[in-house]
Amino acid sequence: GQQLNQSPQSMFIQEGEDVSMNCTSSSIFNTWLWYKQDPGEGPVLLIALYKAGELTSNGRLTAQFGITRKDSFLNISASIPSDVGIYFCAGQNYGGSQGNLIFGKGTKLSVKP
Amino acid sequence: DVKVTQSSRYLVKRTGEKVFLECVQDMDHENMFWYRQDPGLGLRLIYFSYDVKMKEKGDIPEGYSVSREKKERFSLILESASTNQTSMYLCASSSHRVRLYEQYFGPGTRLTVT
Repeated sequence: GQQLNQSPQSMFIQEGEDVSMNCTSSSIFNTWLWYKQDPGEGPVLLIALYKAGELTSNGRLTAQFGITRKDSFLNISASIPSDVGIYFCAGQNYGGSQGNLIFGKGTKLSVKP
Repeated sequence: DVKVTQSSRYLVKRTGEKVFLECVQDMDHENMFWYRQDPGLGLRLIYFSYDVKMKEKGDIPEGYSVSREKKERFSLILESASTNQTSMYLCASSSHRVRLYEQYFGPGTRLTVT
């Protein structure tokens, strides 16, 4: 099935740094979602985007729905240790099954040793 | 707050056993989903349901079946567990009516088949 390309696959953060990750698709999406998953837990919804160009914040997190409808990015400002985890993008493309999502493989955020 | 609960956090079963994974949501959501999550493969959809007694195959339905007798409950059944079904299983739900694509996940069940 269709997949989303999420990058980077992993990154290391130092407390206080800003973090950026993105997701791209070969087809047009009408919804983008960003989730965070802590070890051993289920993904938690962070931000949902429904319109091209939309920029939405949730605390220190900001996500944007790309103008081309084929990409989205997530920024985390002034990172803190509890930001560590795996971040997933997910989307719904035109013509897809109602309610079904396509998921990226995740960006793993770790603390710099 | 949306609450999705799964019957077990950890489960160990033997090859050939019949396994039931239960999922309950308390937000009156119409849609419910079962995924499995494996390292390097991401989230893969096993089955989903848009209404009571309705079910649709996802990307990897082989070896699994589901049951939805009540709106709030969606069960995943492994008829004869095999070692390649060792995985993290995640249940999710979403609404038909509002924010259609926002799926809310349970905490997951880590199943080991020996």
